[in-house]
Amino acid sequence: SQTIHQWPATLVQPVGSPLSLECTVEGTSNPNLYWYRQAAGRGLQLLFYSVGIGQISSEVPQNLSASRPQDRQFILSSKKLLLSDSGFYLCAWSSDWRETQYFGPGTRLLVL
Amino acid sequence: KNEVEQSPQNLTAQEGEFITINCSYSVGISALHWLQQHPGGGIVSLFMLSSGKKKHGRLIATINIQEKHSSLHITASHPRDSAVYICAVKAAGNKLTFGGGTRVLVKP
Repeated sequence: SQTIHQWPATLVQPVGSPLSLECTVEGTSNPNLYWYRQAAGRGLQLLFYSVGIGQISSEVPQNLSASRPQDRQFILSSKKLLLSDSGFYLCAWSSDWRETQYFGPGTRLLVL
Repeated sequence: KNEVEQSPQNLTAQEGEFITINCSYSVGISALHWLQQHPGGGIVSLFMLSSGKKKHGRLIATINIQEKHSSLHITASHPRDSAVYICAVKAAGNKLTFGGGTRVLVKP
């Protein structure tokens, strides 16, 4: 069966520090991968998606970036965090764009 | 105006009551998802549907493509159903567009 992992589960970082959140999927190959953010009191927002290694589509301009160095690994990064980057970050995968997306457990990020 | 609107934003019900959550959207879609987000933040996909009706246990989801409207029903609600229910639509391409969510509290 397929599983999706995210780490860390929670993170407290100072403004201006770098960020690296990791997402890995097991039990499937060539998944579509997604990064979402849920800011406090707001809905989910798609940040990035990837249909293959090295292929990243950005939905929202911001100081975050994403990379897919391996088939089942998706990384969300920032060189310098802003206060507004605080939120709950969710990774998801699907077998292709027509199929259900399955969400990871999420990473709660607090930027102080 | 958001592309995906949910109502109500908040809902409180007594255990056993029938609950309905509505989702309206303004774009053409290929599929609609209902998601459940628990207090800890974890999200579970409940349904994906593009027409008609789906049922899973006490949950029923319906969609009317012509009216651009979907409903999620919870029959015989239980306190463990307390969560945020999120409607999301898949339009062109890969991305989902999310509604703001409906916070449901079921009291024993």
